[in-house]
Amino acid sequence: QKEVEQDPGPLSVPEGAIVSLNCTYSNSAFQYFMWYRQYSRKGPELLMYTYSSGNKEDGRFTAQVDKSSKYISLFIRDSQPSDSATYLCAMKTDSWGKLQFGAGTQVVVTP
Amino acid sequence: GAVVSQHPSRVICKSGTSVKIECRSLDFQATTMFWYRQFPKQSLMLMATSNEGSKATYEQGVEKDKFLINHASLTLSTLTVTSAHPEDSSFYICSASANGGSSYNEQFFGPGTRLTVL
Repeated sequence: QKEVEQDPGPLSVPEGAIVSLNCTYSNSAFQYFMWYRQYSRKGPELLMYTYSSGNKEDGRFTAQVDKSSKYISLFIRDSQPSDSATYLCAMKTDSWGKLQFGAGTQVVVTP
Repeated sequence: GAVVSQHPSRVICKSGTSVKIECRSLDFQATTMFWYRQFPKQSLMLMATSNEGSKATYEQGVEKDKFLINHASLTLSTLTVTSAHPEDSSFYICSASANGGSSYNEQFFGPGTRLTVL
């Protein structure tokens, strides 16, 4: 069993819709949770970082962490075609720990 | 945000040759650099972690003699794929972290290097 599970998609949504992404994990020691966006043939860029359970909002992006269920989510409101990319969740056990990535979900926002 | 560059962005080589990939932190000192490998439609797999001036720590299953990592300065790490074979063809991505730069030691990723071995 992988430590971090993420549905690879693809997930296709119409422009303006809410994109909902999620990851589950098995290691209860994970404390830091990140969401990255990766465009084709490019390196990942950090979108959101959360430490505690609950919600964190940044513009159109909302990250949610539920440590009791070992479940994290990313919501993208008012999606745009430029949001089409692969979204990777990542987590680590402490600030010095190595990142454990999910498989990534390919998102396609259609005009 | 901090900028990490990689060179070359794409390389094609013949089987049996060695290829060197550079990773540079352009505007900060990277005490730790990471090397990842990514196959098509798959996630990033950590290959090794290197701290400036120290030997790299390789992940289980990664051949140390095949993937040579050097982190000689706080702004440069290199990955050399020795005696490359077609199965080494992949997307190689580095990241850099300035320990103590943030509460969670964010990793800044380079744009990746596409290696194709013929």
